Amino acid sequence: DIQLTQSPSTLSASVGDRVTITCRASHSISSWLAWYQQKPGKAPQLLIYKASNLKSGVPSRFSASGSGTAFTLTISSLQPEDFATYYCYQYNSYFYTFGPGTRLEIK
Amino acid sequence: QVQLQESGPGLVKPSETLSLTCTVSGGSINNFYWTWIRQPRGKGLEYIGYIFYSGTTNYNPSLKSRVTISLDTPKNQFSLKLKSVTAADTAVYYCARQIIVPATVSSPGWMDSWGQGIQVTVSS
Repeated sequence: DIQLTQSPSTLSASVGDRVTITCRASHSISSWLAWYQQKPGKAPQLLIYKASNLKSGVPSRFSASGSGTAFTLTISSLQPEDFATYYCYQYNSYFYTFGPGTRLEIK
Repeated sequence: QVQLQESGPGLVKPSETLSLTCTVSGGSINNFYWTWIRQPRGKGLEYIGYIFYSGTTNYNPSLKSRVTISLDTPKNQFSLKLKSVTAADTAVYYCARQIIVPATVSSPGWMDSWGQGIQVTVSS
């Protein structure tokens, strides 16, 4: 099984800040990684697929990169609606797994 | 735009079977994977399993002995059955559409559409 870890587990930041979340895989997953945003009481929403591809309609302040075992999600200038929990997800090999999540909170 | 909606009992007794249905509207069942994911309150996301539109299934090894996912194509629905439930199965259950990775031989990819989720509590 491929394990995903995320750091930090919690991130405190202010509106306008630039923040980066890291996701690491226990084995190489090539670029088969997606990023999701989840707000309380809501289903996760897709932000990024295939490591760095922005889903249509997602603001361009979101970007992502990486391949192999190390991946990052960056928000260039935090907006109030970005405070949420972020999950990485690997679909390289079954069974598919999510990272434990990074909670982005207002400082 | 495709929409997914979970339905089923919100309360299940221990040792019984949890049964949920996901109704897909605004799109076809064909050419996608259909997936169940769950999330205990305050915790992370757990992938339960999928069914391909052809009927092929694959389950999380930790749940495999208790899970069945089935498809009703004429009704545009797919279902989850989880037997012998315990309190540890209490969670929000999501259904989702999982795309086929482009330029692959039908490899499952990311989930691009999700239902709103349904809270299922296991309690007597």
